[in-house]
Amino acid sequence: DAGVTQSPTHLIKTRGQQVTLRCSPKSGHDTVSWYQQALGQGPQFIFQYYEEEERQRGNFPDRFSGHQFPNYSSELNVNALLLGDSALYLCASSLGQPNEKLFFGSGTQLSVL
Amino acid sequence: DQQVKQNSPSLSVQEGRISILNCDYTNSMFDYFLWYKKYPAEGPTFLISISSIKDKNEDGRFTVFLNKSAKHLSLHIVPSQPGDSAVYFCAARKYSNYQLIWGAGTKLIIKP
Repeated sequence: DAGVTQSPTHLIKTRGQQVTLRCSPKSGHDTVSWYQQALGQGPQFIFQYYEEEERQRGNFPDRFSGHQFPNYSSELNVNALLLGDSALYLCASSLGQPNEKLFFGSGTQLSVL
Repeated sequence: DQQVKQNSPSLSVQEGRISILNCDYTNSMFDYFLWYKKYPAEGPTFLISISSIKDKNEDGRFTVFLNKSAKHLSLHIVPSQPGDSAVYFCAARKYSNYQLIWGAGTKLIIKP
């Protein structure tokens, strides 16, 4: 039973570029949440997708957008990258809502130069 | 504003002894509190949770205590084992929108 998988594991971009991160949830899970974890801090909630719609959103600008596909996989898109967007991006999946028991992927380390 | 605080960036404990990790919160709008454990190069894994209507929850070597009047929770690990060395995150769920608010984490080091 595959857990949550994220790709790519590492990514280097320059300011102003756009990036797409991908996530496949744990088998049987229908809800995907995205988090940003800066160095030395806890994860910060970006948004959550359920039934292909954004259900909840944290305090992140519109440059951050996402999508959920019919197979429950998800993408996180960030436009006009800033140096401050450098962080570990974590995807978490769960079954149904609300569900605080999240299963996380290993994350995508994004570096913006 | 930091609604969930873990004031100890790191903690070192002898193997076999008790590890106590602490977490404070400022918002009364939380209905669930959780602990996650994170190893290097891996995502966080769920460890244990407690509802705001309880004051204690136990699961094997792990016990979480909640003191609502002090807005404080703690995670006890007894006995501590080398595999417990990891970063522990405290998280709280807002009952208004079910969003999780996370602390900055405490790095636990278990010495042999």
